[in-house]
Amino acid sequence: DTEVTQTPKHLVMGMTNKKSLKCEQHMGHRAMYWYKQKAKKPPELMFVYSYEKLSINESVPSRFSPECPNSSLLNLHLHALQPEDSALYLCASSLTGTGNYEQYFGPGTRLTVT
Amino acid sequence: GNSVTQMEGPVTLSEEAFLTINCTYTATGYPSLFWYVQYPGEGLQLLLKATKADDKGSNKGFEATYRKETTSFHLEKGSVQVSDSAVYFCALSDTDSWGKLQFGAGTQVVVTP
Repeated sequence: DTEVTQTPKHLVMGMTNKKSLKCEQHMGHRAMYWYKQKAKKPPELMFVYSYEKLSINESVPSRFSPECPNSSLLNLHLHALQPEDSALYLCASSLTGTGNYEQYFGPGTRLTVT
Repeated sequence: GNSVTQMEGPVTLSEEAFLTINCTYTATGYPSLFWYVQYPGEGLQLLLKATKADDKGSNKGFEATYRKETTSFHLEKGSVQVSDSAVYFCALSDTDSWGKLQFGAGTQVVVTP
């Protein structure tokens, strides 16, 4: 099973709302990732968790707050977002965060900020 | 630093035509190379991979060979179907990149009946 699940599939939020995106995998992977993808562009890395610890933060604004409660779950907490944050948010996982293991992606959450 | 360059799209083909998408890379370490496919409205799916020079990755009729001498990883399929219409991303992960994937810009492929 190479499935990464993400909820919700779609999310519309106002600029003053607080919401969370959720990601789950049961492949025993110890690295998990958040990406942001704008239309017709490749995914841009936001955060990397390795063994439940944040190992990479690609200078993401503080209105995005990641959390890794355990090795299977990854959350992205959203607060005071801007319209330009509207995008597809993708979660991925890999066996570890080192080496050259392939990443498996979830279906994404389509976020619209109004 | 690492980079991936792939051919611009869209690439428009008729069903049963031969598909080639060019991908070249620069890397400082010993990268693994990947092709991902993204169907409309979906996430990325791993299509194939190669972890060392001369490896050939293959899946669903697609193939790509890791060519270190030309720093290339071109994707090919002998006979495309309408269902192959998607965006294809070439990517690399380097030994010193802590799992970070470096993506190419993506190539949209449109297959017409």
